[in-house]
Amino acid sequence: EAQVTQNPRYLITVTGKKLTVTCSQNMNHEYMSWYRQDPGLGLRQIYYSMNVEVTDKGDVPEGYKVSRKEKRNFPLILESPSPNQTSLYFCASSRTPYTEAFFGQGTRLTVV
Amino acid sequence: KQEVTQIPAALSVPEGENLVLNCSFTDSAIYNLQWFRQDPGKGLTSLLLIQSSQREQTSGRLNASLDKSSGRSTLYIAASQPGDSATYLCAVFMNRDDKIIFGKGTRLHILP
Repeated sequence: EAQVTQNPRYLITVTGKKLTVTCSQNMNHEYMSWYRQDPGLGLRQIYYSMNVEVTDKGDVPEGYKVSRKEKRNFPLILESPSPNQTSLYFCASSRTPYTEAFFGQGTRLTVV
Repeated sequence: KQEVTQIPAALSVPEGENLVLNCSFTDSAIYNLQWFRQDPGKGLTSLLLIQSSQREQTSGRLNASLDKSSGRSTLYIAASQPGDSATYLCAVFMNRDDKIIFGKGTRLHILP
Protein backbone atom coordinates (compact mmCIF):
# COMPACT_ATOMS: atom_id res chain seq x y z
CA GLU A 1 0.00 0.00 0.00
CA ALA A 2 1.33 3.42 -0.99
CA GLN A 3 1.84 5.46 2.13
CA VAL A 4 3.77 8.02 4.10
CA THR A 5 4.63 6.79 7.58
CA GLN A 6 5.53 9.03 10.46
CA ASN A 7 6.77 7.97 13.87
CA PRO A 8 5.96 8.51 16.60
CA ARG A 9 2.29 9.54 16.38
CA TYR A 10 2.38 11.14 19.81
CA LEU A 11 5.32 12.48 21.77
CA ILE A 12 5.68 14.40 25.01
CA THR A 13 9.16 15.66 25.80
CA VAL A 14 10.95 18.21 27.94
CA THR A 15 12.57 21.44 26.85
CA GLY A 16 16.04 20.97 25.44
CA LYS A 17 15.96 17.21 24.92
CA LYS A 18 16.87 16.43 21.32
CA LEU A 19 14.31 14.45 19.35
CA THR A 20 13.79 13.08 15.87
CA VAL A 21 10.50 12.46 14.09
CA THR A 22 10.91 9.97 11.28
CA CYS A 23 9.15 10.04 7.92
CA SER A 24 9.30 7.34 5.31
CA GLN A 25 7.53 6.93 1.96
CA ASN A 26 7.32 3.84 -0.22
CA MET A 27 6.34 5.51 -3.50
CA ASN A 28 9.83 6.50 -4.76
CA HIS A 29 8.81 10.16 -4.55
CA GLU A 30 11.39 12.85 -5.10
CA TYR A 31 9.71 15.73 -3.26
CA MET A 32 9.24 15.52 0.51
CA SER A 33 8.31 18.19 3.01
CA TRP A 34 7.48 18.86 6.65
CA TYR A 35 4.66 21.05 7.97
CA ARG A 36 3.39 22.16 11.32
CA GLN A 37 -0.27 22.85 11.95
CA ASP A 38 -1.35 25.25 14.65
CA PRO A 39 -4.82 26.58 15.53
CA GLY A 40 -5.47 29.88 13.82
CA LEU A 41 -2.27 29.65 11.77
CA GLY A 42 -3.04 26.69 9.55
CA LEU A 43 -0.39 24.54 7.92
CA ARG A 44 3.04 26.07 7.47
CA GLN A 45 5.94 24.52 5.60
CA ILE A 46 9.08 23.93 7.69
CA TYR A 47 11.52 22.33 5.25
CA TYR A 48 11.32 20.64 1.90
CA SER A 49 13.54 18.43 -0.21
CA MET A 50 13.56 18.21 -3.97
CA ASN A 51 15.71 15.07 -4.00
CA VAL A 52 18.41 13.19 -2.12
CA GLU A 53 20.92 15.54 -0.46
CA VAL A 54 18.88 18.60 -1.51
CA THR A 55 16.98 20.41 1.24
CA ASP A 56 15.63 23.95 1.56
CA LYS A 57 13.96 26.09 4.17
CA GLY A 58 10.24 26.64 4.11
CA ASP A 59 8.43 29.44 5.88
CA VAL A 60 9.18 28.45 9.49
CA PRO A 61 12.54 26.60 9.61
CA GLU A 62 13.89 28.09 12.85
CA GLY A 63 14.64 25.45 15.47
CA TYR A 64 14.43 22.53 13.04
CA LYS A 65 16.83 20.48 10.97
CA VAL A 66 16.27 17.86 8.30
CA SER A 67 18.33 15.44 6.29
CA ARG A 68 17.74 13.49 3.07
CA LYS A 69 20.37 10.80 2.83
CA GLU A 70 18.03 8.36 1.11
CA LYS A 71 15.09 9.03 -1.17
CA ARG A 72 12.54 7.30 1.05
CA ASN A 73 13.41 8.94 4.40
CA PHE A 74 13.17 12.54 5.54
CA PRO A 75 13.59 12.87 9.31
CA LEU A 76 12.77 16.07 11.19
CA ILE A 77 15.22 16.90 13.97
CA LEU A 78 14.63 19.23 16.90
CA GLU A 79 18.05 19.78 18.48
CA SER A 80 16.74 21.71 21.48
CA PRO A 81 12.94 21.67 21.56
CA SER A 82 11.08 24.55 23.16
CA PRO A 83 7.42 24.85 24.23
CA ASN A 84 6.61 27.00 21.16
CA GLN A 85 7.34 23.93 19.04
CA THR A 86 4.35 22.15 20.55
CA SER A 87 2.29 21.43 17.47
CA LEU A 88 0.88 18.86 15.08
CA TYR A 89 3.48 17.90 12.49
CA PHE A 90 2.89 16.40 9.06
CA CYS A 91 5.26 14.89 6.55
CA ALA A 92 4.27 14.75 2.89
CA SER A 93 5.68 13.42 -0.34
CA SER A 94 4.94 13.69 -4.05
CA ARG A 95 6.44 12.29 -7.21
CA THR A 96 7.53 15.77 -8.22
CA PRO A 97 6.84 19.17 -6.65
CA TYR A 98 4.06 19.64 -9.19
CA THR A 99 2.02 16.52 -8.58
CA GLU A 100 -0.42 15.19 -6.01
CA ALA A 101 0.86 15.24 -2.44
CA PHE A 102 0.46 12.37 0.01
CA PHE A 103 0.45 13.10 3.72
CA GLY A 104 1.38 11.08 6.76
CA GLN A 105 -1.01 10.69 9.68
CA GLY A 106 0.68 13.34 11.75
CA THR A 107 2.78 13.54 14.91
CA ARG A 108 1.38 15.41 17.87
CA LEU A 109 4.33 16.85 19.78
CA THR A 110 4.11 18.44 23.21
CA VAL A 111 7.16 20.14 24.69
CA VAL A 112 6.90 20.92 28.40
CA LYS B 1 4.50 37.36 0.11
CA GLN B 2 1.81 34.90 -0.96
CA GLU B 3 -1.31 34.84 1.18
CA VAL B 4 -4.00 32.20 0.76
CA THR B 5 -7.43 32.93 2.21
CA GLN B 6 -10.39 30.61 2.57
CA ILE B 7 -13.86 31.94 3.22
CA PRO B 8 -15.94 31.01 5.10
CA ALA B 9 -13.96 29.55 7.98
CA ALA B 10 -16.89 27.30 8.84
CA LEU B 11 -20.04 26.23 7.06
CA SER B 12 -23.06 24.11 7.98
CA VAL B 13 -25.52 22.98 5.31
CA PRO B 14 -28.32 20.40 5.17
CA GLU B 15 -27.65 17.10 3.48
CA GLY B 16 -28.33 17.05 -0.24
CA GLU B 17 -27.46 20.65 -0.96
CA ASN B 18 -24.85 21.75 -3.46
CA LEU B 19 -22.20 24.02 -2.00
CA VAL B 20 -19.17 26.08 -2.95
CA LEU B 21 -15.99 26.62 -0.97
CA ASN B 22 -13.76 29.53 -1.84
CA CYS B 23 -10.00 30.01 -1.95
CA SER B 24 -8.19 33.20 -2.94
CA PHE B 25 -4.49 33.96 -3.31
CA THR B 26 -2.61 37.23 -3.67
CA ASP B 27 0.26 36.18 -5.97
CA SER B 28 -0.76 34.64 -9.28
CA ALA B 29 2.72 33.19 -9.95
CA ILE B 30 1.61 29.72 -8.98
CA TYR B 31 2.44 26.42 -10.61
CA ASN B 32 -0.65 24.61 -9.37
CA LEU B 33 -3.37 24.59 -6.74
CA GLN B 34 -4.52 21.59 -4.71
CA TRP B 35 -7.61 20.99 -2.67
CA PHE B 36 -7.28 18.71 0.35
CA ARG B 37 -9.63 17.18 2.86
CA GLN B 38 -8.66 16.72 6.51
CA ASP B 39 -10.67 14.65 8.97
CA PRO B 40 -10.25 15.35 12.70
CA GLY B 41 -6.98 13.96 14.03
CA LYS B 42 -5.97 12.68 10.61
CA GLY B 43 -3.64 13.63 7.82
CA LEU B 44 -4.60 15.38 4.62
CA THR B 45 -6.01 13.64 1.58
CA SER B 46 -5.55 15.24 -1.83
CA LEU B 47 -8.86 15.73 -3.63
CA LEU B 48 -8.04 17.63 -6.79
CA LEU B 49 -4.97 19.23 -8.31
CA ILE B 50 -5.28 21.96 -10.94
CA GLN B 51 -2.28 23.02 -12.96
CA SER B 52 -1.95 26.75 -13.61
CA SER B 53 -2.77 26.19 -17.28
CA GLN B 54 -6.04 24.42 -16.46
CA ARG B 55 -9.45 25.93 -15.68
CA GLU B 56 -11.04 23.06 -13.79
CA GLN B 57 -10.79 19.49 -12.59
CA THR B 58 -13.54 17.05 -11.69
CA SER B 59 -13.65 13.95 -9.54
CA GLY B 60 -17.02 12.40 -8.83
CA ARG B 61 -19.20 14.93 -7.00
CA LEU B 62 -16.32 17.39 -6.72
CA ASN B 63 -15.42 20.09 -9.20
CA ALA B 64 -12.60 22.57 -8.69
CA SER B 65 -12.10 25.66 -10.80
CA LEU B 66 -9.15 28.00 -11.09
CA ASP B 67 -9.01 31.60 -12.26
CA LYS B 68 -5.32 32.36 -11.93
CA SER B 69 -5.49 35.93 -13.14
CA SER B 70 -8.02 36.90 -10.48
CA GLY B 71 -6.39 34.74 -7.81
CA ARG B 72 -9.38 32.55 -7.08
CA SER B 73 -10.36 28.93 -6.91
CA THR B 74 -13.63 27.29 -5.94
CA LEU B 75 -14.46 23.76 -4.84
CA TYR B 76 -17.98 22.74 -5.76
CA ILE B 77 -19.51 19.79 -3.91
CA ALA B 78 -22.70 18.39 -5.43
CA ALA B 79 -25.42 16.62 -3.46
CA SER B 80 -23.60 16.89 -0.13
CA GLN B 81 -23.58 13.93 2.28
CA PRO B 82 -22.82 13.68 6.02
CA GLY B 83 -19.60 11.88 5.10
CA ASP B 84 -18.41 15.08 3.41
CA SER B 85 -18.08 16.71 6.83
CA ALA B 86 -14.41 17.62 7.24
CA THR B 87 -12.03 20.54 6.91
CA TYR B 88 -11.18 21.49 3.35
CA LEU B 89 -7.87 23.18 2.61
CA CYS B 90 -6.46 24.70 -0.52
CA ALA B 91 -2.74 25.08 -1.19
CA VAL B 92 -0.74 26.77 -3.92
CA PHE B 93 2.65 25.72 -5.20
CA MET B 94 4.81 28.73 -5.97
CA ASN B 95 6.81 29.02 -9.19
CA ARG B 96 9.73 31.02 -7.88
CA ASP B 97 10.78 29.22 -4.70
CA ASP B 98 9.21 25.73 -4.77
CA LYS B 99 7.25 26.41 -1.60
CA ILE B 100 3.70 25.33 -0.82
CA ILE B 101 1.39 27.81 0.92
CA PHE B 102 -1.81 26.62 2.58
CA GLY B 103 -5.01 28.41 3.42
CA LYS B 104 -6.41 27.97 6.94
CA GLY B 105 -9.27 25.85 5.72
CA THR B 106 -13.06 25.76 5.75
CA ARG B 107 -14.63 23.50 8.35
CA LEU B 108 -17.68 21.92 6.70
CA HIS B 109 -20.52 20.26 8.58
CA ILE B 110 -23.26 18.49 6.64
CA LEU B 111 -26.44 18.18 8.68
CA PRO B 112 -28.27 14.84 8.31
